Amino acid sequence: QKEVEQNSGPLSVPEGAIASLNCTYSDRGSQSFFWYRQYSGKSPELIMFIYSNGDKEDGRFTAQLNKASQYVSLLIRDSQPSDSATYLCAGRIANFGNEKLTFGTGTRLTIIP
Amino acid sequence: ETGVTQTPRHLVMGMTNKKSLKCEQHLGHNAMYWYKQSAKKPLELMFVYNFKEQTENNSVPSRFSPECPNSSHLFLHLHTLQPEDSALYLCASSPREGQGGAGELFFGEGSRLTVL
Repeated sequence: QKEVEQNSGPLSVPEGAIASLNCTYSDRGSQSFFWYRQYSGKSPELIMFIYSNGDKEDGRFTAQLNKASQYVSLLIRDSQPSDSATYLCAGRIANFGNEKLTFGTGTRLTIIP
Repeated sequence: ETGVTQTPRHLVMGMTNKKSLKCEQHLGHNAMYWYKQSAKKPLELMFVYNFKEQTENNSVPSRFSPECPNSSHLFLHLHTLQPEDSALYLCASSPREGQGGAGELFFGEGSRLTVL
């Protein structure tokens, strides 16, 4: 069983709509979660992290965490063509100072003008 | 520009060659990482260094040999690689403390490796 699972997509969303990206995880010891954006041919860049149940908003981005259901999501409001990228979800387990970050395979998002 | 520089950006090598990948970070971070990225697979952690000490070796074959002479530099020495080792190798650094802690990774642009 994959530790962090994402739908690989591609996910196509019209410009201006809300893009919803989902991620599930299997290890209940996971403590915090990270969303990275990776443009084609580029390296991943961190866009948000969340460690408490509920929502966390940053501009057009909202991260949601539900530890009971073991899922994390990223909502992108007012989607722009520049949001077209692969979005990587990662979970972090901190165990006696040895921290491990586990990535999903990523969801490819395409915003259609 | 993320403050993490990797060289070379592209490398083609034969299975009998020896080469090295270099990473340098200018962010003052104490943790550095090597990740492997292959098509349709999750980012795969290879090695972790905290304060120059290796704290993680994720069952990586010995044909990959890391070296961390100081907190700013990280090398990955390659020898007798296999074609299946062809991938994008990403270096990253992170602060030990901060908003996201060790999950807040700053990646270099990567070294695209092709093994013939």
